[in-house]
Amino acid sequence: EAAVTQSPRSKVAVTGGKVTLSCHQTNNHDYMYWYRQDTGHGLRLIHYSYVADSTEKGDIPDGYKASRPSQENFSLILELASLSQTAVYFCASSERDRQYFGPGTRLTVL
Amino acid sequence: QQKVQQSPESLSVPEGGMASLNCTSSDRNFQYFWWYRQHSGEGPKALMSIFSDGDKKEGRFTAHLNKASLHVSLHIRDSQPSDSALYFCAAKEGFASALTFGSGTKVIPCLP
Repeated sequence: EAAVTQSPRSKVAVTGGKVTLSCHQTNNHDYMYWYRQDTGHGLRLIHYSYVADSTEKGDIPDGYKASRPSQENFSLILELASLSQTAVYFCASSERDRQYFGPGTRLTVL
Repeated sequence: QQKVQQSPESLSVPEGGMASLNCTSSDRNFQYFWWYRQHSGEGPKALMSIFSDGDKKEGRFTAHLNKASLHVSLHIRDSQPSDSALYFCAAKEGFASALTFGSGTKVIPCLP
């Protein structure tokens, strides 16, 4: 079974602060994704990457940056956290088709 | 309007019964469809994919696709307590494209 891990598993941040969410995969997959989950909205794509050192904007990229320094690692960066960014964030990896998700990071912005 | 819409929002299913979940896309570019299941406190996990018109069966799960109406359904027979989860329909344009998810259907098994 493919493995995707996320850290931290939960975080409380202050409004205006910087937050970095990390994702690591041992699947040797080229594709990695960041989603956020809110009640009533399902999963919405924030950023994704096809290859190391390159990232693409998803459906809701505003307020988020992404970094893919290696095939295994993909980070999501909130430079100025806002209340509206309180959500559960999921990272996933895939070899083009089936996506394998991590356990999620619950972010609360106060 | 969401490009992938699911119904119902929640569904109570008697143990041993049949659950039917629906999904409709408003984007005719979507060609590939997936069903994902998310248990409470976990990340989503892929259940099955369907790319061609008709039915696809995997164990107790059967997916049905009608490309003309952009309608996908998932049927779960012989419902078990372990089926209690949030079920997402997801669609994409090309084989290597990113997925667009629906808002999910919560399946709640109940006593018969």
